[in-house]
Amino acid sequence: SQQGEEDPQALSIQEGENATMNCSYKTSINNLQWYRQNSGRGLVHLILIRSNEREKHSGRLRVTLDTSKKSSSLLITASRAADTASYFCATGGNYGQNFVFGPGTRLSVLP
Amino acid sequence: EPEVTQTPSHQVTQMGQEVILRCVPISNHLYFYWYRQILGQKVEFLVSFYNNEISEKSEIFDDQFSVERPDGSNFTLKIRSTKLEDSAMYFCASSYAGQPTNSPLHFGNGTRLTVT
Repeated sequence: SQQGEEDPQALSIQEGENATMNCSYKTSINNLQWYRQNSGRGLVHLILIRSNEREKHSGRLRVTLDTSKKSSSLLITASRAADTASYFCATGGNYGQNFVFGPGTRLSVLP
Repeated sequence: EPEVTQTPSHQVTQMGQEVILRCVPISNHLYFYWYRQILGQKVEFLVSFYNNEISEKSEIFDDQFSVERPDGSNFTLKIRSTKLEDSAMYFCASSYAGQPTNSPLHFGNGTRLTVT
């Protein structure tokens, strides 16, 4: 299975702090994507990083990918209460292998 | 911005009954998916659909499940004889392209299925 596994399972920080979440996976991938899920809602795509990229930025988000370690990290800088959500990594593999999501990290940003 | 819509938002059914969950994917998307999430747990892949046929399915997607694109806009998931353990949030998703292209998934807000 190429399932992503996020850690920590839960993270609680103060508003303004940075939040870092990690994802590990098992097999070779074509790309890795991060999604956010607000309670009771669908997943929203945040950022995609290709297997030949090492770092990518989008606003307050920074994603890194280390294919040698089969891991990725998502950094949210200057967190806000509205960032409170679950964050999932999903790995996209070779043709015919659909996205597989990890169990997610529940982020709580306290005002 | 176009979005994936799912109906109903909540479905309650008795064990053994058939349910149909409905989805309208984004209009120019070509790949369609169903995922499910048991409360507070991971998001599990069920099935992907392209060109009017299943392209991949997981071991969860057994004979009690079926999918259909009955017209040009709807994409449905049918559970023939529901079990208590089918209680979950069911998410429909669509993408413009499938793997290995770098096309993100667009999710609906889900249907919460409760089997009693």
